[in-house]
Amino acid sequence: SAVISQKPSRDICQRGTSLTIQCQVDSQVTMMFWYRQQPGQSLTLIATANQGSEATYESGFVIDKFPISRPNLTFSTLTVSNMSPEDSSIYLCSVGDRWTEAFFGQGTRLTVV
Amino acid sequence: AQTVTQSQPEMSVQEAETVTLSCTYDTSESDYYLFWYKQPPSRQMILVIRQEAYKQQNATENRFSVNFQKAAKSFSLKISDSQLGDAAMYFCAYGGDSGGSNYKLTFGKGTLLTVNP
Repeated sequence: SAVISQKPSRDICQRGTSLTIQCQVDSQVTMMFWYRQQPGQSLTLIATANQGSEATYESGFVIDKFPISRPNLTFSTLTVSNMSPEDSSIYLCSVGDRWTEAFFGQGTRLTVV
Repeated sequence: AQTVTQSQPEMSVQEAETVTLSCTYDTSESDYYLFWYKQPPSRQMILVIRQEAYKQQNATENRFSVNFQKAAKSFSLKISDSQLGDAAMYFCAYGGDSGGSNYKLTFGKGTLLTVNP
């Protein structure tokens, strides 16, 4: 199984600022995914990040708000821009090239005040 | 679009007993995968068990097993000999290729499992 490290594990941020979340995998993977889990809710996919191409965003999520980088096959970042209290959530990265490799990082708990 | 429904927001079980969590899904695809994930308070998503739709045999993983009914689009999780450490939120998830190499997951709303000593 892949080992996924996500940083920071939690943060409290002021509204209007931005936070960049990092996701590091211990092996090369083609596809990385970013999910949001709002308080008491299920996981919703934000975008799919493939190395060497622009991220693909799901309906309701835009690049200006959630820019994503994928500089290589082991690393990705998600930025939550111009934050508001509604952005308070757990953000999780996941990796998967095959269905045997659908694993998650430990998540970042973001609180916007 | 695929949907996943977990009709039990909360379940409880006595330690050492057996509990079954329900999940139904909707899809027009014939080849797909189904998952159960466990999320304890630490918020780490832990893969519990995985089922390939083309396999008729139900997946098992130690005390965890599934009842996969493809025609009924049902995918329930059975936890045997429940332990205190099983207490967590359980999410059912659907994964399909959607015609390309896109291994994203669609999650249900989750079932909170409490294990009583």
